Amino acid sequence: DTAVSQTPKYLVTQMGNDKSIKCEQNLGHDTMYWYKQDSKKFLKIMFSYNNKELIINETVPNRFSPKSPDKAHLNLHINSLELGDSAVYFCASSQDEGNEQFFGPGTRLTVL
Amino acid sequence: QKEVEQNSGPLSVPEGAIASLNCTYSDRGSQSFFWYRQYSGKSPELIMSIYSNGDKEDGRFTAQLNKASQYVSLLIRDSQPSDSATYLCAVDDYKLSFGAGTTVTVRA
Repeated sequence: DTAVSQTPKYLVTQMGNDKSIKCEQNLGHDTMYWYKQDSKKFLKIMFSYNNKELIINETVPNRFSPKSPDKAHLNLHINSLELGDSAVYFCASSQDEGNEQFFGPGTRLTVL
Repeated sequence: QKEVEQNSGPLSVPEGAIASLNCTYSDRGSQSFFWYRQYSGKSPELIMSIYSNGDKEDGRFTAQLNKASQYVSLLIRDSQPSDSATYLCAVDDYKLSFGAGTTVTVRA
């Protein structure tokens, strides 16, 4: 059983398109996160949700909008994709803020 | 100043040796510290967490924390080729901040 899953695994799209990435966790955790890992492998937090409420919103363009329909799901919608959005996006979850985080397999986004 | 800094790599060690990874952090209020391992093309995998000063051992891994010096380290004893990966130090203040990672190669 996959603890944290993401779909799709790969996403190739043209500049200007809108796309979504979905994340689900079956660990019963209260907190979920989105991270971006760029080509230099630096991992940076984008958003954090605790029990469906946004608690961390780092300096991320407004084109990125997270949505948490329930505490087991956290989706990421990206509008007007740009070349610089190409990266691997990881979803993660933890029991609560400050606890150990468990990562999904990642979504490799390539914008052409 | 970066929030979390790791010793620059890559680090190459012979099989059976000890690999030593270091990390410093800037926020004195940080309470939780983690080491993640990331194989190429894979997601980060938690290998150690440490919350109080001192050493914490788990199998071949030992994490050391010194909050006064704002320093956390990871020792990998009896290094194996399967330990070849990038190791990420992560520090939690109000969010998890990652270092840039240290790539370890274990030579057979």
